[in-house]
Amino acid sequence: SQQGEEDPQALSIQEGENATMNCSYKTSINNLQWYRQNSGRGLVHLILIRSNEREKHSGRLRVTLDTSKKSSSLLITASRAADTASYFCATDPYSSASKIIFGSGTRLSIRP
Amino acid sequence: EAGVAQSPRYKIIEKRQSVAFWCNPISGHATLYWYQQILGQGPKLLIQFQNNGVVDDSQLPKDRFSAERLKGVDSTLKIQPAKLEDSAVYLCASSVGWEIPVNTEAFFGQGTRLTVV
Repeated sequence: SQQGEEDPQALSIQEGENATMNCSYKTSINNLQWYRQNSGRGLVHLILIRSNEREKHSGRLRVTLDTSKKSSSLLITASRAADTASYFCATDPYSSASKIIFGSGTRLSIRP
Repeated sequence: EAGVAQSPRYKIIEKRQSVAFWCNPISGHATLYWYQQILGQGPKLLIQFQNNGVVDDSQLPKDRFSAERLKGVDSTLKIQPAKLEDSAVYLCASSVGWEIPVNTEAFFGQGTRLTVV
């Protein structure tokens, strides 16, 4: 079963704009991660945020975590054509043995 | 460092045949995952190993799927017999291990695309 649900399912924006994707999950977590998947390729880890953290930055990426609402958001600033991909949140449920459970993903398209 | 290696990249089989996938994780990674990703969906965890022991296989269809991790390193996933609904990409991933649960960054292989006809 899927732990997380991303919103929106698909997003199309103009190059240079910011893209925001949201993730909601069901159970308490140890951490939450975001991954990118280009068409036909494997998943690439982007960023991990721990349950005791509220915000984290990595380059053009900004991730927030609200454990009270069981939600996270991924912001990509100044989008580029190369950012076109599917983005997945993945949770490590509390009391699990480092399980990584993926959501359904957001398909992001960047228009030139 | 070398990444997660998977083979084959593509496989086409007829229903009721059997198939096996192989995965070589990153050296030193104790945890190994197998995921099934159906087109348009997120990866679904099938089985998780810690060294050569199974940590979670709750979503593995055990009547037809089996997996093992040889000597806590390489792993194989087998389907016997295959059904049409098994058509998917099978992804292998590895991570350092559960001794550091807050650092469960997983590294993925390119996957095996299985088509059952």
